[in-house]
This record gives sequence, structure tokens and C-alpha cells, in this order.
Amino acid sequence: SQQGEEDPQALSIQEGENATMNCSYKTSINNLQWYRQNSGRGLVHLILIRSNEREKHSGRLRVTLDTSKKSSSLLITASRAADTASYFCATAPLNTGGFKTIFGAGTRLFVKA
Amino acid sequence: NAGVTQTPKFRVLKTGQSMTLLCAQDMNHEYMYWYRQDPGMGLRLIHYSVGEGTTAKGEVPDGYNVSRLKKQNFLLGLESAAPSQTSVYFCASMPGGFTDTQYFGPGTRLTVL
Repeated sequence: SQQGEEDPQALSIQEGENATMNCSYKTSINNLQWYRQNSGRGLVHLILIRSNEREKHSGRLRVTLDTSKKSSSLLITASRAADTASYFCATAPLNTGGFKTIFGAGTRLFVKA
Repeated sequence: NAGVTQTPKFRVLKTGQSMTLLCAQDMNHEYMYWYRQDPGMGLRLIHYSVGEGTTAKGEVPDGYNVSRLKKQNFLLGLESAAPSQTSVYFCASMPGGFTDTQYFGPGTRLTVL
């Protein structure tokens, strides 16, 4: 099974609301990243949080990391229709030598205007 | 900079045919990756390279071969295509060091009949 698993699989909200996505993983990591994928496009990097960090912000994005629970959350505040996309967490397991990233199956976010 | 480019964008093959997907990056990145993405799933690593002249197997390498003769190019080959290889293929590159951000190409949609 995959290292990272997102929850929920799909999320539908109104524009202006906040969206929260969660990611759980299995093994110790060096860092955890969140990516966005618009339909039919490649993935775009959003934010990276290292294992010694607990929270990180970037614009309307807030990411938390709890290494004791092996989980992370991505919060998108004041969502917009343009935030409609799939969001993936990706982990860099320590036992992979530092150059392999394992992706979860993603959360599909739909923001209604 | 063009970033990461992939050729072709779309391809339809018949079972047993062969083809090569080309990935090129102009960012002088050390690491390059080939992933496949199937409906409703995250990305699964096929093969990767940590430098010119090197390749290594990922999670799902069977039926694929790769070469990295030049630092900027990473080729993915299908010697005898099978319907199970119908997927969207993404190439990515990464600067180097201990797991950094990956930069993705736009993808190649391959259908094997």
C-alpha cells in the first residue's frame, strides 16, 4: 500500500469556506510535501515541511505536521473556484536514500462558485 | 526556461508495439523520474535516475526500460506495449540534495489497444 494516504478522497465546498485535507503515512520521513494537480495537468509543488517543523504557512495555505502521529494536514483558507483541483501529499521516507518521493492517492477538491 | 517538457503529448499504440517517451529539462537538475498515474490514483514511480548515466528501478518497473545518456534527457521505453500500460505518464526532475521539490512535465497520455 502507499506511504501517504489522503483523507477525504473528495471534498466539495462553497467559495469562501475553508478546506482541510489530511495525510497519513507509515514510515519515518525527512520531509512531507503537498502538490496540486489541475485536471489533465502535471503536479505543481505547493509547500514542503521538514520533519523538525510543526507548522508552515504560504499565502492561504497552512500545513501542519505531527511526526508522532505520522500525519499532516493542509488547510486552504477562503477557498476560490480556482482552487478546484486534486491535492496530493508526498513523503520522503528516510529509508529511501533521500531521493525518492512517495505520493498518496490524493484528495479531489471542488469549490463551488 | 521551458522547465520540464515531454514528447509526445498523446499516443495510441496497438498491443505489442514499441515506443519511447522523451523527457527533457533545462534546469540542470541531477535527479529525474518517470511516474505513471492511473484514474483515481496517485503517482507510482517507474524508474528514476540520480545522475547522467545512472538509472534505478522504482515501484512498478516491469515492462519499461529507461536511459539517461545526457543529463538533460530521460527516456522511457516500452518494448512491447500491453493494455495494462494505458496510463498518463509524468516525468519530473529535482535539483539534488536530500529530497527537494520535484518539477513536473505536462504528461503523456498513452492508450494501448
